[in-house]
Amino acid sequence: SQQGEEDPQALSIQEGENATMNCSYKTSINNLQWYRQNSGRGLVHLILIRSNEREKHSGRLRVTLDTSKKSSSLLITASRAADTASYFCATDDWDGGATNKLIFGTGTLLAVQP
Amino acid sequence: EAQVTQNPRYLITVTGKKLTVTCSQNMNHEYMSWYRQDPGLGLRQIYYSMNVEVTDKGDVPEGYKVSRKEKRNFPLILESPSPNQTSLYFCASSLRGQFFTGELFFGEGSRLTVL
Repeated sequence: SQQGEEDPQALSIQEGENATMNCSYKTSINNLQWYRQNSGRGLVHLILIRSNEREKHSGRLRVTLDTSKKSSSLLITASRAADTASYFCATDDWDGGATNKLIFGTGTLLAVQP
Repeated sequence: EAQVTQNPRYLITVTGKKLTVTCSQNMNHEYMSWYRQDPGLGLRQIYYSMNVEVTDKGDVPEGYKVSRKEKRNFPLILESPSPNQTSLYFCASSLRGQFFTGELFFGEGSRLTVL
């Protein structure tokens, strides 16, 4: 079952601009994660934000979480051509007990033009 | 170097010919999982394992088998592959299965084509 849905599906920007991607999810969560995937490669973890956090930073990445709206956003500042990749949000399907799966969205394809 | 290793990376096979995709991690992780990735459908979980000898179905387990006899290995078995199993497969592991407080580490993927 799909939990997260990213928006937009595709985004094209110029180098130096900021890129914002959004993720909506359906159930309660313990935390939300963002991953990056270069074309045809394995996913790489970027950042994790817990349900009791509203904002988190890591380098040029800024993640926000609004649990009341069941949504998150990933902001990449001062983008570079090397940021070109697909970006996925992933949530744990939290039912108040043990969670044993991480559910991924369908991803946003980001293209940064040099 | 901490890593998840999948083999083969690329495979073309024919309908009905049993195949195994191996997955090994060197991080002593308890949790391991298989995903398939298809255009427009994102990543879908096939099977996962919370620890040795503990496996469970994900969202799309039909046509697949797994085993977890050792902590480091989690092979994916296609007993009788069919064309609808043509996909990009990822193995992933995490330190603990419950309460995902950390990241999933992914292998580089295995692109399977079933003719």
